[in-house]
Amino acid sequence: EVQLVESGGGLVQPGGSLRLSCAASGFTFSDHYMEWVRQAPGKGLEWVGRIRKKVNSYTTEYAASVKGRFTISRDDSKNSLYLQMNSLKTEDTAVYYCTRVRAVYYVDYWGQGTLVTVSS
Amino acid sequence: DIQLTQSPSFLSASVGDRVTITCRASQDISSYLAWYQQKPGKAPKLLIYAASTLQSGVPSRFSGSGSGTEFTLTISSLQPEDFATYYCQQVNSYPHTFGGGTKVEIK
Repeated sequence: EVQLVESGGGLVQPGGSLRLSCAASGFTFSDHYMEWVRQAPGKGLEWVGRIRKKVNSYTTEYAASVKGRFTISRDDSKNSLYLQMNSLKTEDTAVYYCTRVRAVYYVDYWGQGTLVTVSS
Repeated sequence: DIQLTQSPSFLSASVGDRVTITCRASQDISSYLAWYQQKPGKAPKLLIYAASTLQSGVPSRFSGSGSGTEFTLTISSLQPEDFATYYCQQVNSYPHTFGGGTKVEIK
């Protein structure tokens, strides 16, 4: 059974940093692109970014709203995905979902999400 | 960026009704479109990918169609467990944008 379990969320002040982790199990993690998607309270879904596989040099893509502030990384030896968030803004407050990509294109599994609150 | 416009944003329907949700893209995205269902407090669930391919385990009352800029998600006979919010997402180009969502509520 595919499982994605996020951790690391919490309350942080504007301008602060936070690192989210996602532990993956039930599939060959290294075979899949992975993504982060977020959802502000009471709002819709927003794509955050993607990291490709080793064969693709672990290259990344980001939404304009987070580019230069957020960094996605992965450790295939630990079956883990990460989201380093710096220079956080109040508008980054959201539930952050770790997701698996099937066949390069579509997200087919989601974690339960972890809440990040940016507030003073 | 490609904008996705879903309509309606809110829909009130009864059990057994046929329901259709539309997703319009601001430019041609071929068939690179997915549909997700999200229930309150839960993560989204993939229903349809490549515009019309049913994800494994999803009931056959769900179907998707369209290509280019206009897409539809149809629920042939609405069931109590289908009351949720539905989102479309394009994966034709970055950023992989989502539509604003359609909330389906009980009439």
